[in-house]
Amino acid sequence: DVQMTQSPSYLAASPGESVSISCKASKSINTYLAWYQEKPGKTNKLLIYSGSTLQSGTPSRFSGSGSGTDFTLTIRSLEPEDFAVYYCQQHNEYPFTFGSGTKLEIK
Amino acid sequence: QVQLQQSGTELVKPASSVKISCKASGYTFTSNYMHWIRQQPGNGLEWIGWIYPGNGNTKYNQKFDGKATLTADKSSSTAYMQLSSLTSEDSAVYFCAKEKFRGRGFAYWGQGTLVTVSS
Repeated sequence: DVQMTQSPSYLAASPGESVSISCKASKSINTYLAWYQEKPGKTNKLLIYSGSTLQSGTPSRFSGSGSGTDFTLTIRSLEPEDFAVYYCQQHNEYPFTFGSGTKLEIK
Repeated sequence: QVQLQQSGTELVKPASSVKISCKASGYTFTSNYMHWIRQQPGNGLEWIGWIYPGNGNTKYNQKFDGKATLTADKSSSTAYMQLSSLTSEDSAVYFCAKEKFRGRGFAYWGQGTLVTVSS
């Protein structure tokens, strides 16, 4: 199985700041990587797919980059609603696998 | 709009089975893969497998072979997952999810079903 190593597991930042979350795959997954946002009381939200393509409705302050084994989610100028848990997921091969998550909290 | 409505919380005994449901609406149920995903307490997400309701084909994560059985009822646009021989390790939230386009991530998620295994 492809192991997805996500870091950091915890991140504290202030509104207006920019943050980056890393996701590393144990083997090449081309660009088949998605990023999700998890918030209490809401269904999980797909933010980015294919490594860097914004899902319809995802604000432009979110961006994704990378290919092969190394990927990054960047959120510029954090808004209050961005404080949540973020997961990466590879969909290059079965079984699909997820990173362990990054909890982004308000500093 | 696409909606995936899951069944409610389950409290079940060890060694028993449970069947949870995911009712789909807003799209052609038979032409889209339905995926199932597990989230154990404090843990990340694990992909269990998918079912293609149009023909009943399934694909499982080997880890869940023998544990999870995926079925679908075309008449009610409902996907099901049965979990068998339950232990405390199976206590988790289970999600159904679907892609908007194949190979582009899970654009739609159910709200999750909490299964608690306890005597």
